[in-house]
Amino acid sequence: SQQGEEDPQALSIQEGENATMNCSYKTSINNLQWYRQNSGRGLVHLILIRSNEREKHSGRLRVTLDTSKKSSSLLITASRAADTASYFCGLRRLSINGGSNYKLTFGKGTLLTVNP
Amino acid sequence: SQTIHQWPATLVQPVGSPLSLECTVEGTSNPNLYWYRQAAGRGLQLLFYSVGIGQISSEVPQNLSASRPQDRQFILSSKKLLLSDSGFYLCAWSAFLAKNIQYFGAGTRLSVL
Repeated sequence: SQQGEEDPQALSIQEGENATMNCSYKTSINNLQWYRQNSGRGLVHLILIRSNEREKHSGRLRVTLDTSKKSSSLLITASRAADTASYFCGLRRLSINGGSNYKLTFGKGTLLTVNP
Repeated sequence: SQTIHQWPATLVQPVGSPLSLECTVEGTSNPNLYWYRQAAGRGLQLLFYSVGIGQISSEVPQNLSASRPQDRQFILSSKKLLLSDSGFYLCAWSAFLAKNIQYFGAGTRLSVL
């Protein structure tokens, strides 16, 4: 698949617990980005990790990238009810001809529900 | 700061009617512009993208077309809507930089009846 595939499709946890969701892909990437979508709204960029990076942090978010396994994980620590949303990974693929690649390809997302 | 406007928020159209969805970006020049469709419970499907005025790339052959008459305006159109055109349409922009972080509008919920 040229798009990322998030796993699991749905995740339900209690407030205060950690949430981990994964993204697998099959192409070579320039970077991988995680986005959040609240129900009925547009996507919001959360964090970007380049292909030469292994881990990034932003507040309660931790992203890892394993290019040998072509997979990434997003960890949300100390989850809150407000974290309830769908989370998508977006892949920026390497251009075959070395030119600019303006596109991101997205998976179907993980629906995270954080229960108060 | 940059903002993206997308309207309308909700649209109900009969089969066979025309469609025009508009997206505008403020606070930046020469953005890359994108139209996505998201079916219920599904991921985002890239429909069109544009790297400049009059430059449109189509990702999926379908009943829709896009135009970019001005630098920061992107329009999604159809001459005759099909039932299968129903969905959530999202416009996005990115700066002409290497990272290609995309910024999304609030979306248009289109129901074709």
